[in-house]
Amino acid sequence: AQKVTQAQTEISVVEKEDVTLDCVYETRDTTYYLFWYKQPPSGELVFLIRRNSFDEQNEISGRYSWNFQKSTSSFNFTITASQVVDSAVYFCALSEPNSGNTPLVFGKGTRLSVIA
Amino acid sequence: EAQVTQNPRYLITVTGKKLTVTCSQNMNHEYMSWYRQDPGLGLRQIYYSMNVEVTDKGDVPEGYKVSRKEKRNFPLILESPSPNQTSLYFCASSLSRWSPEGTDTQYFGPGTRLTVL
Repeated sequence: AQKVTQAQTEISVVEKEDVTLDCVYETRDTTYYLFWYKQPPSGELVFLIRRNSFDEQNEISGRYSWNFQKSTSSFNFTITASQVVDSAVYFCALSEPNSGNTPLVFGKGTRLSVIA
Repeated sequence: EAQVTQNPRYLITVTGKKLTVTCSQNMNHEYMSWYRQDPGLGLRQIYYSMNVEVTDKGDVPEGYKVSRKEKRNFPLILESPSPNQTSLYFCASSLSRWSPEGTDTQYFGPGTRLTVL
């Protein structure tokens, strides 16, 4: 069965520090998709990135970067030079297209607090 | 503007009083879904719909109903709400069920915070 584990429940960093949010997933499928969503204090869920299982290239978008490693079933998210506006709960999620349904299976989330 | 809308955003009700949370998307998306978010449990899928008139249960469907009579709307119905349905509810939609091109990315509405007394 598919599963997503975000072992870090809460992280606090001082502004401008780098921070990495861990995500470990379990799946039996060879085709799957991984996602990161951000939930700021206002409560909405904001899509950040999608990665398919056949593309292990790391991705960088501004201060955000993602490290996908199939060998360790991990899809970690790094924020460089963190800012107060990065304070939010971050969710990693997994989707298996061959499962018939495509629910997003979410991790429990990591609450990031960036302190000025 | 492409968006998923939900109404109401906040609702306080009493046990047993039927309610409907509406969800609408303007992106011509085929796939729509409802999730609930609870502390310590994360987000869990309630129901989903592959297309008009096609709906099915997710992981936690008990106590909920849905309908998909039009492509853009996917209301969530609580026939007899109970306190354990107090939660934050999200509607999501995606262009397709799944796709290597990424059209399966689900976009979420702003959430509906429901309290059942």
